[in-house]
Amino acid sequence: DAKTTQPPSMDCAEGRAANLPCNHSTISGNEYVYWYRQIHSQGPQYIIHGLKNNETNEMASLIITEDRKSSTLILPHATLRDTAVYYCIVRVEGAGGTSYGKLTFGQGTILTVHP
Amino acid sequence: DGGITQSPKYLFRKEGQNVTLSCEQNLNHDAMYWYRQDPGQGLRLIYYSQIVNDFQKGDIAEGYSVSREKKESFPLTVTSAQKNPTAFYLCASSKRTGGGTEAFFGQGTRLTVV
Repeated sequence: DAKTTQPPSMDCAEGRAANLPCNHSTISGNEYVYWYRQIHSQGPQYIIHGLKNNETNEMASLIITEDRKSSTLILPHATLRDTAVYYCIVRVEGAGGTSYGKLTFGQGTILTVHP
Repeated sequence: DGGITQSPKYLFRKEGQNVTLSCEQNLNHDAMYWYRQDPGQGLRLIYYSQIVNDFQKGDIAEGYSVSREKKESFPLTVTSAQKNPTAFYLCASSKRTGGGTEAFFGQGTRLTVV
């Protein structure tokens, strides 16, 4: 399975964009990039996912480099409620293989949004 | 409302006892997962199941057992063989195939063994 590397912590001022990087240099062709976040003592919440194109939804944008070896999650206008642990995950989507569908979480990035 | 439900939210057990954590989903998802989370740590995969009557070990399966007799249910048993069972346990489910198979998580069960 491809592994991900994220910085352990980041800070962001309220109202500014938060850019969270993720390295997944061993990603393979049938692996999608997913982002989740976890607010203290709750279950993780899905944010966004992508394969090779940039994606945007109501919560965030996902920028994936052309070689797919890294990605950045962008929260365009961070609020205090965005303070959480953010996880970048790669997941096999194609059929077959022992890791098919497996969701493996790393340590994540603790994002602190301050006033 | 569709969702994934874990019960109970808090569970206390004596050392040496087996305990079963419940996870139910009404999202019609084929895949289900169990994770363990220790304080200040990320999620570690215990077991996962892609289809009824089939499941695979995750990264830390020792001391745990699961069953998948129904699509909606994926109970986790923490056995007395698990050396350090006190932790936060999270269950998740997702569609089995295709892009866009985001996982939905329950709110977790906090198990304390005394």
